[in-house]
Amino acid sequence: GAVVSQHPSWVICKSGTSVKIECRSLDFQATTMFWYRQFPKQSLMLMATSNEGSKATYEQGVEKDKFLINHASLTLSTLTVTSAHPEDSSFYICSAHSGTGLNSPLHFGNGTRLTVT
Amino acid sequence: GDSVTQMEGPVTLSEEAFLTINCTYTATGYPSLFWYVQYPGEGLQLLLKATKADDKGSNKGFEATYRKETTSFHLEKGSVQVSDSAVYFCALSDRERDDKIIFGKGTRLHILP
Repeated sequence: GAVVSQHPSWVICKSGTSVKIECRSLDFQATTMFWYRQFPKQSLMLMATSNEGSKATYEQGVEKDKFLINHASLTLSTLTVTSAHPEDSSFYICSAHSGTGLNSPLHFGNGTRLTVT
Repeated sequence: GDSVTQMEGPVTLSEEAFLTINCTYTATGYPSLFWYVQYPGEGLQLLLKATKADDKGSNKGFEATYRKETTSFHLEKGSVQVSDSAVYFCALSDRERDDKIIFGKGTRLHILP
């Protein structure tokens, strides 16, 4: 079945550094991917919609200059947390639609646990 | 490991029908349970949640009760509308562990006028 791979599964970085998280669709092409953030003990929050070949669409309140999204190919979207701070520590998860159209099945990556020290 | 199983779709109902989407879970700890909804062309939205046994989450006419004895969190609505057509995801997050959220495969719901 369709698989979305997210890498790394966990990362620890120092304040001020940048961290890149990859989201790959392994056996299908995805023109749209979604990036979510889960705060501790809370529900998921949609951060942005990643569109292949064009700029990502960010949700209100999400800093686009801090959370850089690049969807350069039909199988890869990346989220870069720039100048990370401890408050950026969170669980980040991506999802992608397999097949054509936004009504096709949605698949989730296993998530990335980011800890900023 | 922890997992979520929900009924496969698509589910097709007429407007004003009663809806049940089954969800069961497996967890070694004491998870929080969620229902998320994805409307066409949009990202996931939290529909409702319950954080402990016997809690009932409710929103927009939807309800789900956290049943520890049956490890279930079935989603119900008494009278569905065409605007409820969407994909519904059951999910859990285990507070006792790393809080990672785990999703079911989703159930597509079609409501006919």
